[in-house]
Amino acid sequence: DVKVTQSSRYLVKRTGEKVFLECVQDMDHENMFWYRQDPGLGLRLIYFSYDVKMKEKGDIPEGYSVSREKKERFSLILESASTNQTSMYLCASRGQGAGNTIYFGEGSWLTVV
Amino acid sequence: GQQLNQSPQSMFIQEGEDVSMNCTSSSIFNTWLWYKQDPGEGPVLLIALYKAGELTSNGRLTAQFGITRKDSFLNISASIPSDVGIYFCAGQLRAGGTSYGKLTFGQGTILTVHP
Repeated sequence: DVKVTQSSRYLVKRTGEKVFLECVQDMDHENMFWYRQDPGLGLRLIYFSYDVKMKEKGDIPEGYSVSREKKERFSLILESASTNQTSMYLCASRGQGAGNTIYFGEGSWLTVV
Repeated sequence: GQQLNQSPQSMFIQEGEDVSMNCTSSSIFNTWLWYKQDPGEGPVLLIALYKAGELTSNGRLTAQFGITRKDSFLNISASIPSDVGIYFCAGQLRAGGTSYGKLTFGQGTILTVHP
């Protein structure tokens, strides 16, 4: 079974703090993603990566950056957290090939106060 | 980014009832996916549809890929309390020449089942 692990389930951070959300997958997947989930808006793609050290902006990249130094790990970084970044963050991974689907981690609940 | 229109936004039903939800899009997709998210967890894939007109079942769940490729529905028969959660549709285009196909998600349907 695919396992996507997000290091922190619940975080509370202060406005202006730098925040790291870590994600690890154990299936040697090339593609990894970060989404945020907000009520009534569904899942929105922040950034994705299709290879080590490669990254592409998703639909809502503003205020975020990412890092992919190793194939199994994809980090989401909030350089200066703001209250409007309070949300549920979901990491996902996907193998190569058109028939492969995306598998999600359990989510990280971030509250910025 | 574009989002799919998923309806209804929420449903309150009695145990044993059937449930139906659907997604529509202005764009054509090559793949439709249905996910379920339990409270406090990440979404889990329920059904994947790869061909227009395809009808696929997974236990009490049945999903169809619309002929126009712009819509899909999910039915749950004889609902039980553990069906509670948020159901998401997602459309995927297979990007030409690459393995990455961008997923576009619906807003989700919140399902509550009363025993």
